[in-house]
Amino acid sequence: SYELAQPPSVSVSPGQTARITCSADALPNHYAHWYQQKPGQAPVLVMYKDTERPSGIPERFSGSSSGTTVTLTISGVQAEDEADYYCQSDDNSGGYRALFGGGTKLTVL
Amino acid sequence: QITLKESGPTLVKPTQTLTLTCTFSGFSLSTSGVGVAWIRQPPGKALEWLALLYWDGDKRYSPSLKSRLNISKDTSKNQVVLTMTNMDPVDTATYYCAHSLFDSGWDWFDPWGQGTLVTVST
Repeated sequence: SYELAQPPSVSVSPGQTARITCSADALPNHYAHWYQQKPGQAPVLVMYKDTERPSGIPERFSGSSSGTTVTLTISGVQAEDEADYYCQSDDNSGGYRALFGGGTKLTVL
Repeated sequence: QITLKESGPTLVKPTQTLTLTCTFSGFSLSTSGVGVAWIRQPPGKALEWLALLYWDGDKRYSPSLKSRLNISKDTSKNQVVLTMTNMDPVDTATYYCAHSLFDSGWDWFDPWGQGTLVTVST
């Protein structure tokens, strides 16, 4: 089994680029998905299978994968992007489970 | 448009069994590749996956909670039910259900219900 590691917080100024990482030794062989959660709201899928953006998600959201790290990039950050972001993947070793990272609080300064 | 809504008690006592219902619309749980998942979030903490029910009846559970969980469906009512036995104050959380897509061996959750806060206390 494995765990997904995310930095607790990331801060950027409006208009800058935010990069939120999710790391695990297993990620080279696993897809990751990303969710945005604003205070008091349910999570919303913003990226799936590392780089696929769901319909309705702004183009400033993009995803990438390299080695043991997947990255959610938000270009031209806006105040409305301030939220918690969670990565998620699947673990099929020893039986299936879905797992989430610990979450990253994105603060727009 | 896919929608899901959780319902159930807001307060349960320790040792009691929690029963939550997810009522959904906009999809069929009989469609290949579709599932319904339950995920919870303690106040101020991260998301935790609990269980997943697939279109073909296959069920998956969090290994750490497997002995306490049961997920089932009522296809005619478009509902998925989660039961969790022996509730404890640490189980206090917002419980979400979510539409799941299974593609080439991978699951992701979209969209989610609004969530329901369950408090475990005497």
